[in-house]
Amino acid sequence: QVQLVESGGGLVKPGGSLRLSCAASGFTFSDYYMNWIRQAPGKGLEWLSYITSSGSIDYADSVKGRFTISRDNAKNLLFLQMDSLGVEDTAVYYCAREDFSLDYWGQGTLVTVSS
Amino acid sequence: QTVVTQEPSLTVSPGGTVTLTCASSTGAVTSGYYPNWFQQKPGQAPRALIYSTSNTLPWTPARFSGSLLGGKAALTLSGVQPEDEAEYYCLLYFGGVQRVFGGGTKLTVL
Repeated sequence: QVQLVESGGGLVKPGGSLRLSCAASGFTFSDYYMNWIRQAPGKGLEWLSYITSSGSIDYADSVKGRFTISRDNAKNLLFLQMDSLGVEDTAVYYCAREDFSLDYWGQGTLVTVSS
Repeated sequence: QTVVTQEPSLTVSPGGTVTLTCASSTGAVTSGYYPNWFQQKPGQAPRALIYSTSNTLPWTPARFSGSLLGGKAALTLSGVQPEDEAEYYCLLYFGGVQRVFGGGTKLTVL
């Protein structure tokens, strides 16, 4: 069965960095686009970034230049490098597989940016 | 900055029918925006319900359907069940690349 498990969240000070990982299993990871989405506490969903199976990338304007998405198809891993973090980046971060829809989601990892 | 707008909240009676809509600040929503719909219950990850306007996923209950209505994407629930109480989000694709979520609709079944 398809499984996505995020990790790497935690408490970080403003201006700091964090690297999130998403471990995929149950499907041929290299065949699929992958996305990162976040949800601030009590707020809605915000799409952040996607990476295609061939490595094309795009970002939401809110994170462009600060966040970097990447993938390791040999290890079935998706990453999100987050730099210059601000309090507004506090959220649960989800990875999601894309197959016409964002059909499978992980359970999310919480990132808290606070001094 | 592209904005995708949904009704903040709606209330429906059990067994009733309700339609949620999704509008774009850029103009009419068409099939080229590949509208998607997601359901999220408290403490859970979102779950995909509809993609490309009206296509369902294997787990989508038959009472959920998607369409285009008056220049917006629409999600209709027919024969609403108590377990349908949740937050619903639409997602639109812009230029086939950028994805933008709507602000969500809190659906209350009362």
